[in-house]
Amino acid sequence: GEDVEQSLFLSVREGDSSVINCTYTDSSSTYLYWYKQEPGAGLQLLTYIFSNMDMKQDQRLTVLLNKKDKHLSLRIADTQTGDSAIYFCAESMRSSASKIIFGSGTRLSIRP
Amino acid sequence: DAMVIQNPRYQVTQFGKPVTLSCSQTLNHNVMYWYQQKSSQAPKLLFHYYDKDFNNEADTPDNFQSRRPNTSFCFLDIRSPGLGDAAMYLCATSRDNQNTDTQYFGPGTRLTVL
Repeated sequence: GEDVEQSLFLSVREGDSSVINCTYTDSSSTYLYWYKQEPGAGLQLLTYIFSNMDMKQDQRLTVLLNKKDKHLSLRIADTQTGDSAIYFCAESMRSSASKIIFGSGTRLSIRP
Repeated sequence: DAMVIQNPRYQVTQFGKPVTLSCSQTLNHNVMYWYQQKSSQAPKLLFHYYDKDFNNEADTPDNFQSRRPNTSFCFLDIRSPGLGDAAMYLCATSRDNQNTDTQYFGPGTRLTVL
């Protein structure tokens, strides 16, 4: 079946690293995504990783993929107040390229 | 600069009164999507258009319909809104329907049903 799970909340101190974790169930996933949603706004694609990759780095963002455990993580280095948002993990299916399955989102809050 | 535009941003309707939400895009993308996002939940795909071809998700209620009169516009019609239909409705577009085609989201329309 298709299921993407994330913890609901994460609180980090400004300047620390944030690590948001996600697990998925469908081993046929082709792409895995991280989206950011700020209050009252739509979803913004932050980064994505192809299922045959282990890691992808893009400035302050690092995505790690453990295919064996079906575990995906997003690390945000030097977390800033502007990083406060809900982060959604998502996967696209080999069987239906246009369909993305989203997790419930992790709300990241930054404390001074 | 806005690429995916949704109007209105906030919509209030009465129980059972038909309502239409609109989405337009300046990207000339082939695919347009409608998602429903309830509070603290994941966005859920309702349906999408690939050009003029309509693709409904199996679990989308009949109460939800969509129209795409041209490439730029797509509408979501809720024929008889119930209290359970109160949600954020997100429109998205992608150039094509491959995994590599990024979905660009609009800001959403928050629907309240009284």
